[in-house]
Amino acid sequence: DAGVIQSPRHEVTEMGQEVTLRCKPISGHNSLFWYRQTMMRGLELLIYFNNNVPIDDSGMPEDRFSAKMPNASFSTLKIQPSEPRDSAVYFCASSFSAQETQYFGPGTRLLVL
Amino acid sequence: ELKVEQNPLFLSMQEGKNYTIYCNYSTTSDRLYWYRQDPGKSLESLFVLLSNGAVKQEGRLMASLDTKARLSTLHITAAVHDLSATYFCAVSGAGSYQLTFGKGTKLSVIP
Repeated sequence: DAGVIQSPRHEVTEMGQEVTLRCKPISGHNSLFWYRQTMMRGLELLIYFNNNVPIDDSGMPEDRFSAKMPNASFSTLKIQPSEPRDSAVYFCASSFSAQETQYFGPGTRLLVL
Repeated sequence: ELKVEQNPLFLSMQEGKNYTIYCNYSTTSDRLYWYRQDPGKSLESLFVLLSNGAVKQEGRLMASLDTKARLSTLHITAAVHDLSATYFCAVSGAGSYQLTFGKGTKLSVIP
């Protein structure tokens, strides 16, 4: 299995631009998680999907962030408009079920200038 | 609110030495994970500990869990340079899907 796939791996954008991060979970996994990692706050859960349905988005920082999972093999995290404080590494993780081991993708390093 | 504390946060050790990383958590937990993260890389799952007294070993790493003390340890035996990385413990509350991560322990093994 290829593992969790994320794209792009690196993104540099200017403040105010829209950013879309993409994730393909491991085939057969029904749970998908988006995390953000920063030096100051560590790893934070942004949103959790189960069977393509958003279950918990309480970690989404504000309305500028949105996430979708249109099918079992694809999810997006969108930031619009982006701000410099959004600069971080964004990880997608998937698991066979909600309480199984989460497998992380390689991450997207986002820099907002 | 579940809180997870790791210590130490930074650890520099010589090759061949033994050391232990500690992970304390604040409420009842179903599962405890240890992950490894190399610089600029993703998180790799090392161990999952499910019950009191659980012990798992892989190479020079051994993880244990004491649910009564709400404590897990990651013991490193005869460290080698390849073990240099940041190690995270992550805990899920009882019946919860959500993982709460510690701040991580950055381990540097010096030749």
